[in-house]
Amino acid sequence: GAVVSQHPSRVICKSGTSVKIECRSLDFQATTMFWYRQFPKQSLMLMATSNEGSKATYEQGVEKDKFLINHASLTLSTLTVTSAHPEDSSFYICSARPRDRTNEKLFFGSGTQLSVL
Amino acid sequence: DAKTTQPTSMDCAEGRAANLPCNHSTISGNEYVYWYRQIHSQGPQYIIHGLKNNETNEMASLIITEDRKSSTLILPHATLRDTAVYYCIVRVALIIQGAQKLVFGQGTRLTINP
Repeated sequence: GAVVSQHPSRVICKSGTSVKIECRSLDFQATTMFWYRQFPKQSLMLMATSNEGSKATYEQGVEKDKFLINHASLTLSTLTVTSAHPEDSSFYICSARPRDRTNEKLFFGSGTQLSVL
Repeated sequence: DAKTTQPTSMDCAEGRAANLPCNHSTISGNEYVYWYRQIHSQGPQYIIHGLKNNETNEMASLIITEDRKSSTLILPHATLRDTAVYYCIVRVALIIQGAQKLVFGQGTRLTINP
């Protein structure tokens, strides 16, 4: 099956620093990737849709200057949390849809737990 | 995309069939029913999806009512590893229209008891 690799799995950083999370599709090309965040005991909340070679589309209420998304290739999308603060601490998850398959299901990364001190 | 309603939590004994219901009374004709699950601190995992007919794969069965207003995910022989949050999602699945985002509701927290 299609594999989505997300790195790092866990990161702890100081307030004010920036953190980059990578999402890679290992055995398929993905023109579209999605970024979610999840707070404890809550559901996944879609943050943005990342399209290869174009600007990301952000959901309402998500600051695009705060959460920078780059999808420079068909196998890699990155999410950078800029000037992170404790309230940004969350579980971040990416997902990708294979380019050459029917638009049926998404494959998810294993998530990144971000803790901002 | 149509809204779904699921019970907040359910319990099931190990080895028994786990039946997870989902209501989607506003589903439209071109919307599919998808099921994903999320084991603690992991990314969601695709389980199954269907449009009108019942579906079965190696993980589960999906039973969709004739009016398509509700469905049931069946795990035939639940194991402890099936403990997870199960999400029922309804959305269009059209290639032509490009990427379709997946919006998660609150899901059902299924606990399999020994």
